Amino acid sequence: DSGVTQTPKHLITATGQRVTLRCSPRSGDLSVYWYQQSLDQGLQFLIQYYNGEERAKGNILERFSAQQFPDLHSELNLSSLELGDSALYFCASSGGTGAFSYEQYFGPGTRLTVT
Amino acid sequence: AQKITQTQPGMFVQEKEAVTLDCTYDTSDPSYGLFWYKQPSSGEMIFLIYQGSYDQQNATEGRYSLNFQKARKSANLVISASQLGDSAMYFCAMRDLSGTYKYIFGTGTRLKVLA
Repeated sequence: DSGVTQTPKHLITATGQRVTLRCSPRSGDLSVYWYQQSLDQGLQFLIQYYNGEERAKGNILERFSAQQFPDLHSELNLSSLELGDSALYFCASSGGTGAFSYEQYFGPGTRLTVT
Repeated sequence: AQKITQTQPGMFVQEKEAVTLDCTYDTSDPSYGLFWYKQPSSGEMIFLIYQGSYDQQNATEGRYSLNFQKARKSANLVISASQLGDSAMYFCAMRDLSGTYKYIFGTGTRLKVLA
């Protein structure tokens, strides 16, 4: 158990809908990362937050947004969902200061299916 | 543009033997980090090892070592004394440490350890 929790484990929704994925980092970790893993796109880095502030942005679509709250949990919001958004969404956390800490701990992922 | 290449989609190794998983990268950034992750069939992502571009020594973590050859832009993962539990998908990744802090991932190598 990495100490990172993600809810829900599975999510099935229809095209055009909006969903929120939630992540609680390991106790004391200030950084949260979001990743998308799909069959056609592979593993993609979406975004990183550090202590509530956005620190790095990857290939995150405009329909997607994220935030990190004062208690350090994070939410990834996916809107106007398309079939191609079906994927496994991972959250990871890391400690350290600044934008970079190399060792990450991953949550179990949320499997999103868009029908 | 940054790029990670893993040319071995699948590999077999005999139990207790060593195996090398290849990773080459391309970047013009002066400062970057190289990572390896393991993804067993259960789906979770596990951080294995990290190498910084300015690190003089090759990184080692238990049975994992990273064979870093900067001039050749390669960051191969060596697993010594393979175990059945090493059967998994392995991803190489790179992070820009001098600007965007974005991660990019390779397509992965599926390793099967044979008894």
